[in-house]
Amino acid sequence: AQRVTQPEKLLSVFKGAPVELKCNYSYSGSPELFWYVQYSRQRLQLLLRHISRESIKGFTADLNKGETSFHLKKPFAQEEDSAMYYCALNIGTASKLTFGTGTRLQVTL
Amino acid sequence: DAGITQSPRHKVTETGTPVTLRCHQTENHRYMYWYRQDPGHGLRLIHYSYGVKDTDKGEVSDGYSVSRSKTEDFLLTLESATSSQTSVYFCAISAGRGYNEQFFGPGTRLTVL
Repeated sequence: AQRVTQPEKLLSVFKGAPVELKCNYSYSGSPELFWYVQYSRQRLQLLLRHISRESIKGFTADLNKGETSFHLKKPFAQEEDSAMYYCALNIGTASKLTFGTGTRLQVTL
Repeated sequence: DAGITQSPRHKVTETGTPVTLRCHQTENHRYMYWYRQDPGHGLRLIHYSYGVKDTDKGEVSDGYSVSRSKTEDFLLTLESATSSQTSVYFCAISAGRGYNEQFFGPGTRLTVL
């Protein structure tokens, strides 16, 4: 069965420091991966999808099929990046998503 | 926000009472989903719908039922609420390029006492 693992519940970094939020997946087929962000008491918003290879709000993520990873990176953290981040896997059946347990990013001065 | 609303936004109820949450969308999307969000579990799929009157179970469907009599509305019912169903419930639709991107409603915070 498919699975998404986000090993860190909390990641605390200083403003201006690099950020890497880890995501590993297990799926035997061709995966489609997403990063969603949830700011305090707001709805989840799509941040990135691996297919588009975009950079949104300075964040990037590269799919590494060999390591089955889709880590989210940003070179310089900002205070407004503080939020909950979820990695999600779409296995293509009715576009259902399997989510990781989330990582809370805390950016401090 | 892809035209998704949820009602109510907050609800407190007692164990054993029935509860219905409503998800409404304005853009005629085919796929709709109900998730629950719990600390340490992330989001877990409860039920989903792929058209009017077409629904299927997700990962954590026990204790929940759904109905979709119109394209725009997807209802989630807790027939007899339990304290373990205290959670934040999110509705989502599938849209965007390739129709694999999901867009979420604002959430309903449900407390079962």
